[in-house]
Amino acid sequence: DGGITQSPKYLFRKEGQNVTLSCEQNLNHDAMYWYRQDPGQGLRLIYYSQIVNDFQKGDIAEGYSVSREKKESFPLTVTSAQKNPTAFYLCASRQGPINEKLFFGSGTQLSVL
Amino acid sequence: QKEVEQDPGPLSVPEGAIVSLNCTYSNSAFQYFMWYRQYSRKGPELLMYTYSSGNKEDGRFTAQVDKSSKYISLFIRDSQPSDSATYLCAMSRTNAGKSTFGDGTTLTVKP
Repeated sequence: DGGITQSPKYLFRKEGQNVTLSCEQNLNHDAMYWYRQDPGQGLRLIYYSQIVNDFQKGDIAEGYSVSREKKESFPLTVTSAQKNPTAFYLCASRQGPINEKLFFGSGTQLSVL
Repeated sequence: QKEVEQDPGPLSVPEGAIVSLNCTYSNSAFQYFMWYRQYSRKGPELLMYTYSSGNKEDGRFTAQVDKSSKYISLFIRDSQPSDSATYLCAMSRTNAGKSTFGDGTTLTVKP
């Protein structure tokens, strides 16, 4: 089955620790995205990548980092500089530059210990 | 002011009711308009997709776009308990590479 796989489903971070959220897609989509969702709020864009080895900051990139070494993979690192990391993180992919439809993974809930 | 404003809700309706969900926007360059449905603690799924103005119907769902008023709506006919979810509007410019989302409206359909 084609789709987007996010792991882990739940993640706990200790203060001062960096953690990495995984996102893998087998849809052969060019563009991939990371969104953050806080309770009762919409999706805020963290980073996005339209092609391998290239990515752009979204609206709330501070305290996060990404890489795009392979088309299928777009991991997100939540660094210790992100002081309020508790949120639901969603990865998405898009077919191409004309098609605006996003396909989402099932999300990772990150909490601070 | 946010580029996309969505009626906040929450919305609670009896089964069988007609539901209207609405968003307004300020960027006249938006050309693509989407509605996503998100069940609790799950990833959103695309429900409706419209390019430019007009109506689009898919079963019990109708999406309307009025670009002159910068207003979009999603109508759900004969609402079912399984429609209980958060509905997110989203929109984007041509070749923008990214979508802008509303904050979502949580709908509960009571049997």
